[in-house]
Amino acid sequence: RKEVEQDPGPFNVPEGATVAFNCTYSNSASQSFFWYRQDCRKEPKLLMSVYSSGNEDGRFTAQLNRASQYISLLIRDSKLSDSATYLCVVNTPLGNQFYFGTGTSLTVIP
Amino acid sequence: DVKVTQSSRYLVKRTGEKVFLECVQDMDHENMFWYRQDPGLGLRLIYFSYDVKMKEKGDIPEGYSVSREKKERFSLILESASTNQTSMYLCASSSGGSGGNEQFFGPGTRLTVL
Repeated sequence: RKEVEQDPGPFNVPEGATVAFNCTYSNSASQSFFWYRQDCRKEPKLLMSVYSSGNEDGRFTAQLNRASQYISLLIRDSKLSDSATYLCVVNTPLGNQFYFGTGTSLTVIP
Repeated sequence: DVKVTQSSRYLVKRTGEKVFLECVQDMDHENMFWYRQDPGLGLRLIYFSYDVKMKEKGDIPEGYSVSREKKERFSLILESASTNQTSMYLCASSSGGSGGNEQFFGPGTRLTVL
């Protein structure tokens, strides 16, 4: 079983739409959770960390559900510039390892 | 701003060649990582290091070795390149002993092995 699994998409949504991505993780001892964004032919960059209480940054909201072992990312009022691949990342307490999902592709259409 | 640089953006090598990929970070980070990224497989950890001269195997270390002689530099070595090592290689660094902090990535090296 993979450490982190996420729906690869692609998600094609119109501008202004709300879109949600989910990601599940297998290690219940995981402690840190992140969403990264990767543009085509670029390196991944941190979008936001995910906290137990949930957190919001402008149009982006991240949630963590430890009981069900999943994290989610909600994007409201999608912009063309949101088109990218979104990577779910989980850090385990053992050995400083980060596990990446395969990414979910989002295209926002005019 | 944290800066992670990699020695080459594109590299073409022949089967059997020894290949060196260099990564340098300028923020005094303790942790450094090497990943490869392939379509449909995402990022997979090859090796990581949490201190000078320390190294730990990741999920796919076979065919690779690493060197960390200085804190800012982490090198990935392909002892004898093979075609299945054609991939995008990404270096990253992060601060903190626990490793649970943001990772900063270099721009990547796209390696083609012929």
